[in-house]
Amino acid sequence: QKEVEQDPGPLSVPEGAIVSLNCTYSNSAFQYFMWYRQYSRKGPELLMYTYSSGNKEDGRFTAQVDKSSKYISLFIRDSQPSDSATYLCAGGGSQGNLIFGKGTKLSVKP
Amino acid sequence: KAGVTQTPRYLIKTRGQQVTLSCSPISGHRSVSWYQQTPGQGLQFLFEYFSETQRNKGNFPGRFSGRQFSNSRSEMNVSTLELGDSALYLCASSPNGQGNTGELFFGEGSRLTVL
Repeated sequence: QKEVEQDPGPLSVPEGAIVSLNCTYSNSAFQYFMWYRQYSRKGPELLMYTYSSGNKEDGRFTAQVDKSSKYISLFIRDSQPSDSATYLCAGGGSQGNLIFGKGTKLSVKP
Repeated sequence: KAGVTQTPRYLIKTRGQQVTLSCSPISGHRSVSWYQQTPGQGLQFLFEYFSETQRNKGNFPGRFSGRQFSNSRSEMNVSTLELGDSALYLCASSPNGQGNTGELFFGEGSRLTVL
């Protein structure tokens, strides 16, 4: 079992929809969690960073962490075609490197 | 502030050859990490260098090696290339290392094709 599991999709939604992206993880030592966005032929870019259980909001994006169930989510409100990308979740801690999920490919149709 | 720069962006090699990839981190960042990205395995950690020392290493064979110079620039080398080494190799820099905050700034990658 990979330390971070993520549904690869692809996920296709109409413009304006609410998107829910999810990951599960198995490493209890993870202290922080991130969501990266990767456009085609580009490197990943950090989208959201959370250090504890709960919600963190940034504009149309909300990251949610539930450490008790080892579940992390990213919600995108009012999705736009420019949100079409691959979304990677990741967990990490002081003991070592970031572990990434395989990514979910999202397509937002106009 | 310039981002992470990786060269070359694309390269084609044949089996058995070796390749060297280069990464220039964001100015002031002391940590450089390398990842291999493939459709089947996703992003897999290769190694992290901090102040010229390898701090952490992933589960890759010894054919994969790296180093970091005093100016924080880093190179990774893959010897005796295999078809399965075809991938996007991503370099990421951070101010103080992955174990500190985990915030990584990625370059656009070097896409290696092995024929």
